Amino acid sequence: DTGVSQDPRHKITKRGQNVTFRCDPISEHNRLYWYRQTLGQGPEFLTYFQNEAQLEKSRLLSDRFSAERPKGSFSTLEIQRTEQGDSAMYLCASSSDRGQGYGYTFGSGTRLTVV
Amino acid sequence: GQQLNQSPQSMFIQEGEDVSMNCTSSSIFNTWLWYKQDPGEGPVLLIALYKAGELTSNGRLTAQFGTTRKDSFLNISASIPSDVGIYFCAGLWPGDDKIIFGKGTRLHILP
Repeated sequence: DTGVSQDPRHKITKRGQNVTFRCDPISEHNRLYWYRQTLGQGPEFLTYFQNEAQLEKSRLLSDRFSAERPKGSFSTLEIQRTEQGDSAMYLCASSSDRGQGYGYTFGSGTRLTVV
Repeated sequence: GQQLNQSPQSMFIQEGEDVSMNCTSSSIFNTWLWYKQDPGEGPVLLIALYKAGELTSNGRLTAQFGTTRKDSFLNISASIPSDVGIYFCAGLWPGDDKIIFGKGTRLHILP
């Protein structure tokens, strides 16, 4: 397994356009998380899935954001009608159920720039 | 609301020096985690702590879970150039399923 994979690594889009990011977690991990990181800040939680069920969404996840994990494997994060404030690094992480060794494995992120 | 405060915000040290950084929480944690992030990459887990008072090492890194369960520190001994990066503390509150991150400590090593 090559770890958590995110695609694309970079995305530049015009304000008002829709964008979609993909995350492929570690295959045996049933939990998948999305975080957003802006410059000079730590990652901020957006949402997470256990298998295909979306169990929690942050208040940061406005109506323009939607995340899916249809088959409990890869996940997509879509941002509709992008705004300049959406510019950030979007990080995906995966983990197995809580227990010893708990701690997420992060992907390298998708850096979004809205112009 | 619940807060996680990490200090210092940045450090400038000479190669070979020891480094210490810490994190405090407004509420108790069940788990403390320390991550390192290099530019353009995602955070990488360094050390995980699960019990109050626990002291864990990973090579030149040592971290402790504070006895009050509201703080943790990370020490790096004999720093080397590849230690440069951003170090994040993170943790889990009881009954929660998501990791919360601090704002990071940026470590710079002077030539």
